Amino acid sequence: SQKIEQNSEALNIQEGKTATLTCNYTNYSPAYLQWYRQDPGRGPVFLLLIRENEKEKRKERLKVTFDTTLKQSLFHITASQPADSATYLCALYPGYSTLTFGKGTMLLVSP
Amino acid sequence: DGGITQSPKYLFRKEGQNVTLSCEQNLNHDAMYWYRQDPGQGLRLIYYSQIVNDFQKGDIAEGYSVSREKKESFPLTVTSAQKNPTAFYLCASSTGQGPTSFSYEQYFGPGTRLTVT
Repeated sequence: SQKIEQNSEALNIQEGKTATLTCNYTNYSPAYLQWYRQDPGRGPVFLLLIRENEKEKRKERLKVTFDTTLKQSLFHITASQPADSATYLCALYPGYSTLTFGKGTMLLVSP
Repeated sequence: DGGITQSPKYLFRKEGQNVTLSCEQNLNHDAMYWYRQDPGQGLRLIYYSQIVNDFQKGDIAEGYSVSREKKESFPLTVTSAQKNPTAFYLCASSTGQGPTSFSYEQYFGPGTRLTVT
């Protein structure tokens, strides 16, 4: 069956470091991959979208890579700040059916 | 301000009662979605509508019903048939019509936390 895996353990990093979050998938051929940020008790907020024919996408301090051979997307936040602390969700759309979300990884950035 | 509103933020109901969650958007989006989120779980799709007067079941539609009579509104009814209705409910919308709507970013509302006792 199709599966999306994000690290269930929280990622703890120091302010100023680069945070790297992983999204692995199996039995998928996603055409589009999206990343969202979710704060406690609130709705997710869209961050970046990357297509299967794109290797990398950047937006300010954010960078997403998409490796269809490894079946993996990496989400990087450079120069991380305590305000970046949140849960980050990846979501995959195969070009048919619906968008499927991973369970998310919590990021904690300490001062 | 453009966006999606959900009301109420918190909702309490007794078991056996139907309850309707409101979702309104002024983004002029054709597609709207309802998700359920449980602790430690990803978002699970309940129903979606890609155009007015049409909607489709998602992965966990049993015990829920929706309507899409207006472009701006997509209310969700949690019926007494839903075995485990206590959850955080999220409404979202996106541009695009038909199947391509899922290829676009989704805009989420603030959510409604439903507690059924």
